[in-house]
Amino acid sequence: SQQGEEDPQALSIQEGENATMNCSYKTSINNLQWYRQNSGRGLVHLILIRSNEREKHSGRLRVTLDTSKKSSSLLITASRAADTASYSCATRRSGGSNYKLTFGKGTLLTVNP
Amino acid sequence: EAGVTQSPTHLIKTRGQQATLRCSPISGHTSVYWYQQALGLGLQFLLWYDEGEERNRGNFPPRFSGRQFPNYSSELNVNALELEDSALYLCASSLPPATEAFFGQGTRLTVV
Repeated sequence: SQQGEEDPQALSIQEGENATMNCSYKTSINNLQWYRQNSGRGLVHLILIRSNEREKHSGRLRVTLDTSKKSSSLLITASRAADTASYSCATRRSGGSNYKLTFGKGTLLTVNP
Repeated sequence: EAGVTQSPTHLIKTRGQQATLRCSPISGHTSVYWYQQALGLGLQFLLWYDEGEERNRGNFPPRFSGRQFPNYSSELNVNALELEDSALYLCASSLPPATEAFFGQGTRLTVV
């Protein structure tokens, strides 16, 4: 089963508004990464947050991680039409040497001009 | 610095044929990952190679195989193609394995 599960599945907002997407996972993790994917294209790495971090910022992006709840959120502030894309979280499990990234299905964000 | 490159961009094959997809990682990256993304689904992990060895394999049949070359580039081979193999195949690289993974633009495989 998928390790990361994003919520909501789809989100539609107006330009200038903030967008919040959530991700839940099931096992202990080494780190959690957020990616963006434009319509059927490759993924763009947005931000990595380690299991011992609680919050991270990058430009208009803010990511939080709550390991006790096994959840993360991605906040995009002052959204733009160009932010329209699918956003996925991916986790790397902790322990052992299993370094594969496990992805959720993603949140489809539509930012209306 | 060049990113992860994949070739070809698009590939059309007939059911039963074999497909070969190629990936060149970012210079210096030793880990290469392959993922399948079928229409409307999330990324499904296929294979992970590091330092020329297969380190981990997803829940896919043996007709999905690959290898990593001494220069860390990688090939994904899909034998006996089936219609449901039609998908976007994404390659990613990272260094070291537990850090950020960077993805290529993918190869869209269509099986007819």
